[in-house]
Amino acid sequence: AQTVTQSQPEMSVQEAETVTLSCTYDTSESNYYLFWYKQPPSRQMILVIRQEAYKQQNATENRFSVNFQKAAKSFSLKISDSQLGDTAMYFCAFMKLFQGAQKLVFGQGTRLTINP
Amino acid sequence: NAGVMQNPRHLVRRRGQEARLRCSPMKGHSHVYWYRQLPEEGLKFMVYLQKENIIDESGMPKERFSAEFPKEGPSILRIQQVVRGDSAAYFCASSPTTENNSPLHFGNGTRLTVT
Repeated sequence: AQTVTQSQPEMSVQEAETVTLSCTYDTSESNYYLFWYKQPPSRQMILVIRQEAYKQQNATENRFSVNFQKAAKSFSLKISDSQLGDTAMYFCAFMKLFQGAQKLVFGQGTRLTINP
Repeated sequence: NAGVMQNPRHLVRRRGQEARLRCSPMKGHSHVYWYRQLPEEGLKFMVYLQKENIIDESGMPKERFSAEFPKEGPSILRIQQVVRGDSAAYFCASSPTTENNSPLHFGNGTRLTVT
């Protein structure tokens, strides 16, 4: 079974700083997807960024980028120029497409607070 | 194009009552997933349905829980004889296909509180 571990329960940085959230996972699969989701207090699950395991290039979405180390099974999220609106829970997730089902396995989350 | 709609947003039930959670997927989406989020934890997969079919219910408790996605109308997650441990946020997600490049779209969840 796949597992996802986020070792930082909480993090706090000042506005405009850069912050990196850690995520490691365990799988025997070679082809899979990795995600970062943001969950603000509204409870909505918002997809931040997605990485296909077969792609060596790290995914980037504006201020959000990942450091994907497949051999180390590590998938960290870097947020540059952090903004107050980035305050939220962040979940790392793994997905193997199995019998057509998109079954996501989530980590326990990191609570990120951006301070003014 | 409205997103995934879940209702109610909050639901309070006494122990032993039934809870019915509804999910209307995005227009054109025929694949629905239910996830449960316990306090201070990540979401956990419960069940995957297509229209009129349960495809994978490996994450759903064997007793008291059931799900359906009828030909017409929303998907329903039903919890019979609720207990305090059922208190959680229940999320629905939908996708148009099972293709890898069609990400899941989540609703805002239903927070169930069992008193």
